[in-house]
Amino acid sequence: AQRVTQPEKLLSVFKGAPVELKCNYSYSGSPELFWYVQYSRQRLQLLLRHISRESIKGFTADLNKGETSFHLKKPFAQEEDSAMYYCALSGLGATNKLIFGTGTLLAVQP
Amino acid sequence: EPEVTQTPSHQVTQMGQEVILRCVPISNHLYFYWYRQILGQKVEFLVSFYNNEISEKSEIFDDQFSVERPDGSNFTLKIRSTKLEDSAMYFCASTRAASGSTDTQYFGPGTRLTVL
Repeated sequence: AQRVTQPEKLLSVFKGAPVELKCNYSYSGSPELFWYVQYSRQRLQLLLRHISRESIKGFTADLNKGETSFHLKKPFAQEEDSAMYYCALSGLGATNKLIFGTGTLLAVQP
Repeated sequence: EPEVTQTPSHQVTQMGQEVILRCVPISNHLYFYWYRQILGQKVEFLVSFYNNEISEKSEIFDDQFSVERPDGSNFTLKIRSTKLEDSAMYFCASTRAASGSTDTQYFGPGTRLTVL
C-alpha cells in the first residue's frame, strides 16, 4: 500500500539547534516526494520537492530510495520555523493526488 | 500572487442537511482537488477533477459527495446528507499540471465543517 509515515507528532528544539524531521514512504513505483508546511493560521504551502533538489529557507531534503526516506533537515533552527510540517508523496495514477503523512509539529524554543 | 480561495471559512450544519463548499482555483489551473482533514488526523485525498469530470476519487468519496464546476471559476463540493463523521477541514487545491506530469498543488485556506 502507498503510505507516508512521519513518526514524530512533535519535535521541540532550541533556536540554533539542528533539525531533522523524519519521513518514510512506501510506494511500488517512482514517487515524487514533497514537504508542505503550515504556519499558524495559514494555508498549506509547498516547502520543497525532491525533484528540484533546492534549499528553501535553509531546509533541505534528500530522497533515499534504499531507505525509502525523505527526511527534512536544517542545520540551525529559527523561531519562525515553528509550524506543522507534512511529508507527501505523489505519482499515483494520472491525477497526481497527494498522499500525506500525519505531520510533525516543529516547535522552536527561544 | 494569485491564490486559491474557499468559502465559507466555517460552516455549521445539522446532521442530514446538505452543504456546499465553494472554491475558486487559480485561474489558469487545469486540475482541481478536494482533500479533507479530520481533527488530529492526516490530510486525505477525496477527489480530483479535470476537463469537467472526475478523474479519480477515493473510497471516502461515496454517493453522498459530488463535485461540480458550475462556471469558469467556481469548483464546489456538495455533501448531500451530512453525517457527524463528515466534520473536518476541507481543503481545495489546484495545479497547472496536465495528466502525466507533476506540478505544485496550491491549497486554499480550508473550510471547517462542523456537523451537529
